[in-house]
Amino acid sequence: EVQLVESGGALVQPGGSLRLSCAASGFTVSRSYMSWVRQAPGKGLEWVSVIYTGGSTYYADSVKGRFTLSRDNSKNTLYLQMNSLRSEDTAVYYCARAAVQPFDYWGQGTLVTVSS
Amino acid sequence: EIVMTQSPLSLSVTPGQPASISCKSSQSLLHSDGKTYLSWFLQKPGQSPQLLMYEVSSRFSGVPDRFSGSGSGTDFTLKISRVEAEDVGVYYCMQGRQLWTFGQGTKVEIK
Repeated sequence: EVQLVESGGALVQPGGSLRLSCAASGFTVSRSYMSWVRQAPGKGLEWVSVIYTGGSTYYADSVKGRFTLSRDNSKNTLYLQMNSLRSEDTAVYYCARAAVQPFDYWGQGTLVTVSS
Repeated sequence: EIVMTQSPLSLSVTPGQPASISCKSSQSLLHSDGKTYLSWFLQKPGQSPQLLMYEVSSRFSGVPDRFSGSGSGTDFTLKISRVEAEDVGVYYCMQGRQLWTFGQGTKVEIK
């Protein structure tokens, strides 16, 4: 059974850093496109970042230069390193798999709150 | 960036009646590989989004056949032939032609 479990969300001050994790089971992360999608409170979905099977990464303009997506194949886990956090980064962050179909499995999400 | 625009933004439907959501993209979603990368998701209250349709009209595993997708190029439609109580939530279209972007969402409620 495919499962994605995010963790690492917390309350952090503006300018601070946080690392989110997404532990996958039931499939191999390195053989799928893996993305992060976020949802600000009461708002819609915003794609954040993707890592392709070959390791290439791409980012939304809103996070480019501040967020870094990586994976640990030995742990079958995805990571999102978030630096220079801003209030507008406050959101629930979901990891999602894109295998044959786009975003066919999602995690339950982890809440990041950026506030002083 | 490809911009996705949905309408209406909210919909109130009587159970058993049909419903339709429109999604327009700022650029064609037809890829050189012949596929059109338009998907639909439903986010039920308090839940993570779930994939309904991909490549315009292909239903994801387990999605009831009362859901159907159509369209081409820049204009797309999601139709629910007979709305049921479990269909309430927010529906999002998403393009995958150039990275990914979502529409604003359409909230569907039951009358």
